[in-house]
Amino acid sequence: EPEVTQTPSHQVTQMGQEVILRCVPISNHLYFYWYRQILGQKVEFLVSFYNNEISEKSEIFDDQFSVERPDGSNFTLKIRSTKLEDSAMYFCASSGQTDYGYTFGSGTRLTVV
Amino acid sequence: QKEVEQDPGPLSVPEGAIVSLNCTYSNSAFQYFMWYRQYSRKGPELLMYTYSSGNKEDGRFTAQVDKSSKYISLFIRDSQPSDSATYLCAMSRPSGNTPLVFGKGTRLSVIA
Repeated sequence: EPEVTQTPSHQVTQMGQEVILRCVPISNHLYFYWYRQILGQKVEFLVSFYNNEISEKSEIFDDQFSVERPDGSNFTLKIRSTKLEDSAMYFCASSGQTDYGYTFGSGTRLTVV
Repeated sequence: QKEVEQDPGPLSVPEGAIVSLNCTYSNSAFQYFMWYRQYSRKGPELLMYTYSSGNKEDGRFTAQVDKSSKYISLFIRDSQPSDSATYLCAMSRPSGNTPLVFGKGTRLSVIA
């Protein structure tokens, strides 16, 4: 069964450093997303991406965040200057044209120290 | 009022029991309703989705949506220890592939 692949599975970074989280969505999917889940809290939407541009973003997705699809297969989330409160699980997801059930990756656990 | 509310549990049931999981919501614009299962430190896995009101059945799982009450349910029949996980409800507006709004999740343990 097709799956969304995320790397790395765990990243530890120092406060103020830049991190890039990587995702390979399902190959024929058109919509790509980033969500995050702070420990013990809800899964929260960050950003959606379609046709090589951001289609929607949440209040969380401020100027410190950016997304990119650098080639035909990868989808990345960059956090420019990490803060302690950015520590969370970050999930990438993708969906097809008419598929309202997203497929999520296994996540990247980001720890900011 | 929170947009999506879900009792976090934990809920502990004996193997073979019928499990009922529920969410309420406040945004009447939601039209798509989903249930995800999440194992510890893994991504959410889609179990079922329904559009608007009604029931949907898939094996041991039944999803119900009552839009008039803004209430959705997931029933698990003949529960198994392998069903032990956190169950997340999620919903979205009708304009295709819009962001999902999640409940906090209910942690379920099925005891053998």
